[in-house]
Amino acid sequence: GQNIDQPTEMTATEGAIVQINCTYQTSGFNGLFWYQQHAGEAPTFLSYNVLDGLEEKGRFSSFLSRSKGYSYLLLKELQMKDSASYLCAVSPSRDSNYQLIWGAGTKLIIKP
Amino acid sequence: DGGITQSPKYLFRKEGQNVTLSCEQNLNHDAMYWYRQDPGQGLRLIYYSQIVNDFQKGDIAEGYSVSREKKESFPLTVTSAQKNPTAFYLCASSLNRGWSQPQHFGDGTRLSIL
Repeated sequence: GQNIDQPTEMTATEGAIVQINCTYQTSGFNGLFWYQQHAGEAPTFLSYNVLDGLEEKGRFSSFLSRSKGYSYLLLKELQMKDSASYLCAVSPSRDSNYQLIWGAGTKLIIKP
Repeated sequence: DGGITQSPKYLFRKEGQNVTLSCEQNLNHDAMYWYRQDPGQGLRLIYYSQIVNDFQKGDIAEGYSVSREKKESFPLTVTSAQKNPTAFYLCASSLNRGWSQPQHFGDGTRLSIL
């Protein structure tokens, strides 16, 4: 089957750095997305990785290793507003008709 | 501002009743999607549409129906055949159905049973 694993919940301190991991097992791979979702709100797009390596966007960076089926989202200089769920989603093979496979999300709690 | 509008924000369904959730976008996107989100689970695809007058079933289409008569609109009907409709419903759109296209989401509709 196809699945994506993320930790259910993580806690970090304001101003610190946190890494949210995502491992996937899919029939193929055409890219991995990260989204942020505040409670009761819409998910918002953060990043897309299709090649191995680290992509940096301000305080947020995303890393991908296709050979290991692994990605992480790195959040630096944490702010209270970063308290949210972070969703990992994979675009699998052509046969999937472009449907995404979604992880259950990681709830990040930021403490002062 | 361009975006996706879902309405209503909260909806209650009575036994045996069909209800329709509205989704409108002014992003000029070709593809639109409906997802269901339950606590502790990933988003699950109900239906998607790549172009006007065409739509495809997702993983959990049973008990739901959609239409795509206009590019901007993709309403979802939750029928009485859906025995466990209580969930958070999210509508999304993307420029087209390419692999690298991010999906943009509406604010969701929370559906509960009376």
